[in-house]
Amino acid sequence: SAVISQKPSRDICQRGTSLTIQCQVDSQVTMMFWYRQQPGQSLTLIATANQGSEATYESGFVIDKFPISRPNLTFSTLTVSNMSPEDSSIYLCSVDLTGTYEQYFGPGTRLTVT
Amino acid sequence: GENVEQHPSTLSVQEGDSAVIKCTYSDSASNYFPWYKQELGKRPQLIIDIRSNVGEKKDQRIAVTLNKTAKHFSLHITETQPEDSAVYFCAANGGGGSYIPTFGRGTSLIVHP
Repeated sequence: SAVISQKPSRDICQRGTSLTIQCQVDSQVTMMFWYRQQPGQSLTLIATANQGSEATYESGFVIDKFPISRPNLTFSTLTVSNMSPEDSSIYLCSVDLTGTYEQYFGPGTRLTVT
Repeated sequence: GENVEQHPSTLSVQEGDSAVIKCTYSDSASNYFPWYKQELGKRPQLIIDIRSNVGEKKDQRIAVTLNKTAKHFSLHITETQPEDSAVYFCAANGGGGSYIPTFGRGTSLIVHP
């Protein structure tokens, strides 16, 4: 397995501002994913972030709202831009360590937008 | 695309009983089926998985079965303990070589001492 960390663990933000969430892995991985999980709900994939290529966004998520960076094989950021209360959620990164479909999740970032 | 249905949404059992959670999927090309356990306030944790060349897999008190013909798979927990209380998510992926899983809606398992 791997150690996956996220920063911040939680934040309270005002509407109209932006927050950048960091995801750090202690080993090199090709595939990283960003998910959103609203309270009591399942996991919704925002985008896939592979190093060396542009992030691939799922239906309903756009780059202007959720820009992603993937500068190297151990790090990625997700920015939630121009936030509204509807963006209040838990944001999780995950990695596929071995390219065998097994995904391991970071601890999540709990975002509250007021 | 893939569609995963998960039942039941809530499951309440007495400590020591068995619990079974069932999932169906739609894409016959899917070939990887993981189960995640998410305790309150924690990250989802991969607890067991099965690939399409295997019909059953066990790991101590948990087991997963797969029926590719019927396109369903199930999680079985025996001798449940209060620490098994959590939300469990099934997922399916691998169809067409996709690394992106489709998750079920989750089952809240409550084990009463």
